[in-house]
Amino acid sequence: KQEVTQIPAALSVPEGENLVLNCSFTDSAIYNLQWFRQDPGKGLTSLLLIQSSQREQTSGRLNASLDKSSGRSTLYIAASQPGDSATYLCAVKYNQGGKLIFGQGTELSVKP
Amino acid sequence: EARVTQNPRYLITVTGKKLTVTCSQNMNHEYMSWYRQDPGLGLRQIYYSMNVEVTDKGDVPEGYKVSRKEKRNFPLILESPSPNQTSLYFCASSPRTGNEKLFFGSGTQLSVL
Repeated sequence: KQEVTQIPAALSVPEGENLVLNCSFTDSAIYNLQWFRQDPGKGLTSLLLIQSSQREQTSGRLNASLDKSSGRSTLYIAASQPGDSATYLCAVKYNQGGKLIFGQGTELSVKP
Repeated sequence: EARVTQNPRYLITVTGKKLTVTCSQNMNHEYMSWYRQDPGLGLRQIYYSMNVEVTDKGDVPEGYKVSRKEKRNFPLILESPSPNQTSLYFCASSPRTGNEKLFFGSGTQLSVL
């Protein structure tokens, strides 16, 4: 069964720290992987999308990497800020069809 | 403004009373999908649509129906809601042009009593 796992479920760090969020998937034959941010009571916002042929994507202080052989993706957040506090979810697409599998998310708290 | 609009934002209903949650996007996206989000279970896909008149089941389609008669609209129908369908529901869309970033609506909190 294709599964996506995010560990830890929650993470608390002091402001200014660089941090890494993890996403693991059981089947390495992915089509693409997407990282989202969800604020409490809100919908999801797409942060970065990595196609299967790519190794990483960057946007501002965010960098997402993809290692298909090990079944892992990481989201690196540089110089974290309290405004980064949210739940971060990854989602994997395995083909050009419409199915998408989400991890359960990591709830990040950045303390001032 | 480009957006995915869901209505209603909150809904309380009783078991067995048919309801529809609407979803509309103004970005001319081909792909639309519905998810439910439950504590401890994360987001699970209910149905998706690759284009008008084309719909497919996700991981948890039981108890739900969808239709895609127009490109912009993708309503979620609960013919006979049950308490286990109490959840936070999200609609999403994407262009399906290779860049497949998903755009989400703000969610519908449904309570079935």
